[in-house]
Amino acid sequence: SQQGEEDPQALSIQEGENATMNCSYKTSINNLQWYRQNSGRGLVHLILIRSNEREKHSGRLRVTLDTSKKSSSLLITASRAADTASYFCATDTGGYQKVTFGTGTKLQVIP
Amino acid sequence: KAGVTQTPRYLIKTRGQQVTLSCSPISGHRSVSWYQQTPGQGLQFLFEYFSETQRNKGNFPGRFSGRQFSNSRSEMNVSTLELGDSALYLCASSFLLGEGSPLHFGNGTRLTVT
Repeated sequence: SQQGEEDPQALSIQEGENATMNCSYKTSINNLQWYRQNSGRGLVHLILIRSNEREKHSGRLRVTLDTSKKSSSLLITASRAADTASYFCATDTGGYQKVTFGTGTKLQVIP
Repeated sequence: KAGVTQTPRYLIKTRGQQVTLSCSPISGHRSVSWYQQTPGQGLQFLFEYFSETQRNKGNFPGRFSGRQFSNSRSEMNVSTLELGDSALYLCASSFLLGEGSPLHFGNGTRLTVT
């Protein structure tokens, strides 16, 4: 079963626009991570936010975390065609728990 | 630093056969996790190994098994293959699992069962 549900399932935007993806999860977490997956390839780690953090930035990425609502969002600013990929949130409940992935958002950036 | 290497990249097997997939983690990473990715179920956790010990296991039947060697390389085995086992199998390594350590994924093995 999935710990995280992502919304929207698919998103299509023009190059230069911002893209926002949301992730909701069910149980308390130690941290939440976002990953990108290009078609047919492995996942690439983008950013990690700990449960005691509310916002984090990395380049054109901004992640927010609201533990009271059990939700997170990933914002990609000034999107590029190369950002076309699927994006997954992953929750880590700590200890020797498995990292659980959400259902993913498929982003298409049109040049 | 070399990334996570998975072999083979593609595999076609027949129902009832068994298959072994291999994963070489990033040098120094002692944790290796395996995931199954399908369009219908998404990314599902199979198991995780750390220092040759299985520390966690997902909800998969006993036909799915794995092991880790002293050099941290890992293999997973699927016996008595079923059509539903067709998937992309992803291996990920990390320095420590469950401690906020990012997962580093290989490009996967695409298994097709006919």
